[in-house]
Amino acid sequence: QQQVKQSPQSLIVQKGGISIINCAYENTAFDYFPWYQQFPGKGPALLIAIRPDVSEKKEGRFTISFNKSAKQFSLHIMDSQPGDSATYFCAARGGANNLFFGTGTRLTVIP
Amino acid sequence: GAGVSQTPSNKVTEKGKYVELRCDPISGHTALYWYRQSLGQGPEFLIYFQGTGAADDSGLPNDRFFAVRPEGSVSTLKIQRTERGDSAVYLCASSLLRGETQYFGPGTRLLVL
Repeated sequence: QQQVKQSPQSLIVQKGGISIINCAYENTAFDYFPWYQQFPGKGPALLIAIRPDVSEKKEGRFTISFNKSAKQFSLHIMDSQPGDSATYFCAARGGANNLFFGTGTRLTVIP
Repeated sequence: GAGVSQTPSNKVTEKGKYVELRCDPISGHTALYWYRQSLGQGPEFLIYFQGTGAADDSGLPNDRFFAVRPEGSVSTLKIQRTERGDSAVYLCASSLLRGETQYFGPGTRLLVL
């Protein structure tokens, strides 16, 4: 069963627009929530991460919003650029330190 | 400098054969992880090493899969009697300490014919 649910599966955004990707989880023992960016043929690269005691974290154009009570978190990419076109994965860390990944969102930013 | 490296980058084998996939973690990283990523899916956890020992192997799908890390650095994932369903990208990640950020390698693309 999928421990972390991610939507949408794909997303098309105009250059300069806001990209929003959503994730939900059930296991309240998860203690760390990273987002990874993956380009074709490459391994995932950490983009930004948040811990459950914080409701929002911003790094440049990337913001994570975290709602602990709803067990949901989202990634917002402001001023989206064609170079942001990639697949994005949310993840949650379990007690054994392994990461549970969502199914991914393929983002396409149109110039 | 580097980051996590994995060899080979691509591996084609026939059903029933044995394969070994190698991971070189970032120097000094004590924690090492293997994940498997099927087409269109997120990575799925296989096994986690802390030092030389497998701290958690709960993600290994069956006893055809085995991994070692004899000196606490390089790790090898071994797959016996490969099946077509084993075709995937096998990713390795390492972190400085348990609980720290995991850095991923580029993966090994395994195709079982």
